[in-house]
Amino acid sequence: DSGVTQTPKHLITATGQRVTLRCSPRSGDLSVYWYQQSLDQGLQFLIQYYNGEERAKGNILERFSAQQFPDLHSELNLSSLELGDSALYFCASSSRRDREYNEQFFGPGTRLTVL
Amino acid sequence: GEDVEQSLFLSVREGDSSVINCTYTDSSSTYLYWYKQEPGAGLQLLTYIFSNMDMKQDQRLTVLLNKKDKHLSLRIADTQTGDSAIYFCAESPYNQGGKLIFGQGTELSVKP
Repeated sequence: DSGVTQTPKHLITATGQRVTLRCSPRSGDLSVYWYQQSLDQGLQFLIQYYNGEERAKGNILERFSAQQFPDLHSELNLSSLELGDSALYFCASSSRRDREYNEQFFGPGTRLTVL
Repeated sequence: GEDVEQSLFLSVREGDSSVINCTYTDSSSTYLYWYKQEPGAGLQLLTYIFSNMDMKQDQRLTVLLNKKDKHLSLRIADTQTGDSAIYFCAESPYNQGGKLIFGQGTELSVKP
C-alpha cells in the first residue's frame, strides 16, 4: 500500500459526459501528479500540482482540468469524453517539487471506460 | 524531444539473469528511475541512479548507466517468478517540475 488513494476504482460512462477523479496523497506529500496509461500512448504525464499551485504541465487536453485543494487532495476533471479517453488514470504523490531525487508514490489507479 | 525507449517483452527462465534496456534523450536528467508495475496495481519505485554514477547495486538489482550513449539497463540476478511484471524506466527532464517521462514498459515473463 503506497498510501495514495484514488476513487473511484472503476468508472463507466458515455461519450460526451463529464467525470471527476479524486486523489488523496500520502500524508505530508505536497506534490500530486496525474498520469494517463493507455495501450497506444503508454504512460503519459498530465499535470503536477505542488501545495495548491500548478507546477508542471504535460500534453493535457483542454477538455481536462485539475486542481489541488487546501487539504492537498486533488481532482482531475474530464469533460466531453471521447472513446479515446478510455484509460487507466494514475495519481502519484511526492514530497518534492522539482527533479531532485523525487520518489513518486502511485495510487492504484482509476480505470475509465467510455462507451 | 522527449522520448524514452524500451523493448516491450522479455522472457527468461527462473534462476537466470534478466537484463532490461532503456535509452533516453534528456542528457540533463539528474536522476533516472526504474519502476515496477504488477498486474492490477500502480507503479512502485524499484531503484534509481544518479547521473554522476556508472553503476548502482541493490541486492539482486544492478543498474548500469552509459551517459555518452544515454543508455540505462536494469539487471535482475536469480530472477524469480515473483519478478514477473512490467518494468518502466523514467527520466526527469530539465525545468519541468517533478515530471517523469516513462518508457513504454518491458513486460518480463519468468518461466519456472
